[in-house]
Amino acid sequence: DVKVTQSSRYLVKRTGEKVFLECVQDMDHENMFWYRQDPGLGLRLIYFSYDVKMKEKGDIPEGYSVSREKKERFSLILESASTNQTSMYLCCVGSYEQYFGPGTRLTVT
Amino acid sequence: QKEVEQDPGPLSVPEGAIVSLNCTYSNSAFQYFMWYRQYSRKGPELLMYTYSSGNKEDGRFTAQVDKSSKYISLFIRDSQPSDSATYLCAMTTDSWGKFQFGAGTQVVVTP
Repeated sequence: DVKVTQSSRYLVKRTGEKVFLECVQDMDHENMFWYRQDPGLGLRLIYFSYDVKMKEKGDIPEGYSVSREKKERFSLILESASTNQTSMYLCCVGSYEQYFGPGTRLTVT
Repeated sequence: QKEVEQDPGPLSVPEGAIVSLNCTYSNSAFQYFMWYRQYSRKGPELLMYTYSSGNKEDGRFTAQVDKSSKYISLFIRDSQPSDSATYLCAMTTDSWGKFQFGAGTQVVVTP
């Protein structure tokens, strides 16, 4: 069974904090993605990676960075969390068949 | 204008009815088309994917792609209360996986 795990299901952080969201996959796949999901806006791509050490900006990269030191692990970093980054964050793995993690619901107060 | 448009619903149907969902898109280069189901507070779950045009069937689910009209559909036969969820369409131009998603349609199947 495919497994994509995310480090936390729920997270509450304060404005200005540095936040790390981690995604781990057991699919041995090169492609990993980070999305955020907001009501009425659907899923929006933040960053993606097609290989270790490689990263590409998605549609809304501002305020975020990523790290991929190992093939199975892709981290999303909020350098200085702001209230408008309160959202559901979803990690995704695959190419034309994609599998999502359970999501992290982040609240920034 | 969004590249992928999807009616948000909610779409309410009685148990046993056929659920009909659709998405329209503007980019004629899209070739891979996906449907996901998302239960509340969970990640999306891949239901079906289709390459290019045509129909694909998997159990109670049928996906259709009409590239000439830039329109895709998902049909759920014999709907069950457990089908109550949000259904997302997604599409991409290549197999690298950078998809454009619809906003999702909420479906409610009433017993």
